[in-house]
Amino acid sequence: EVQLVETGGGLIQPGGSLRLSCAASGFTVSGNYMSWVRQAPGKGLEWVSIIYNGGSTYYADSVRGRFTISRDSSKNTLYLQMNSLRAEDTAVYYCARVIYGTETYWGQGTLVTVSS
Amino acid sequence: DIQMTQSPSSLSASVGDRVTITCRASQGISNYLAWFQQKPGKAPKSLIHAASSLQSGVPSKFSGSGSGTDFTLTISSLQPEDFATYYCQQYNSYPHTFGQGTKVEIK
Repeated sequence: EVQLVETGGGLIQPGGSLRLSCAASGFTVSGNYMSWVRQAPGKGLEWVSIIYNGGSTYYADSVRGRFTISRDSSKNTLYLQMNSLRAEDTAVYYCARVIYGTETYWGQGTLVTVSS
Repeated sequence: DIQMTQSPSSLSASVGDRVTITCRASQGISNYLAWFQQKPGKAPKSLIHAASSLQSGVPSKFSGSGSGTDFTLTISSLQPEDFATYYCQQYNSYPHTFGQGTKVEIK
């Protein structure tokens, strides 16, 4: 069974850093396209980043240069390193397994709150 | 970036109604269009990919159509478990953008 479990969210001050993790089971992270999508409180979905099985990465303009997507094959885990956090980064962050080019399996999400 | 515009933003419908949601892309995206369902406090659930292909396990009351810039999601007979917010997403080019969502409420 495919399962994705995000951890690492919390309250962080503006300008701070946080690393989100997404532990996968039932498939290998390194063999799949994996992505992050976020949702600000009461708002819609915003695509954040993707990593290909070959290692190529893409980012939304709003996070490029501040966020880094990566993975650890030995831990079968996807990461999102978030630096220089801003209030507008406050959101629930979902990791997803991408099949057919789109987010097919989703984790339950982890809440990141950027506030002083 | 490609803009995705859904209409309506919300709708009220009764159990048993046929419901149609429209999604329009600001430029052609072929059939690289997905639909998602999200219930309050829950993660989105993938319904359709490639504009009209049902994801495994999704009931056949959901259907999608369209190509190019105009797409629709249809629920043939609305049931209580279908009251939720629905999002379209284009994955033709980066960034993969979502529509603003359509909230389906009980009349």
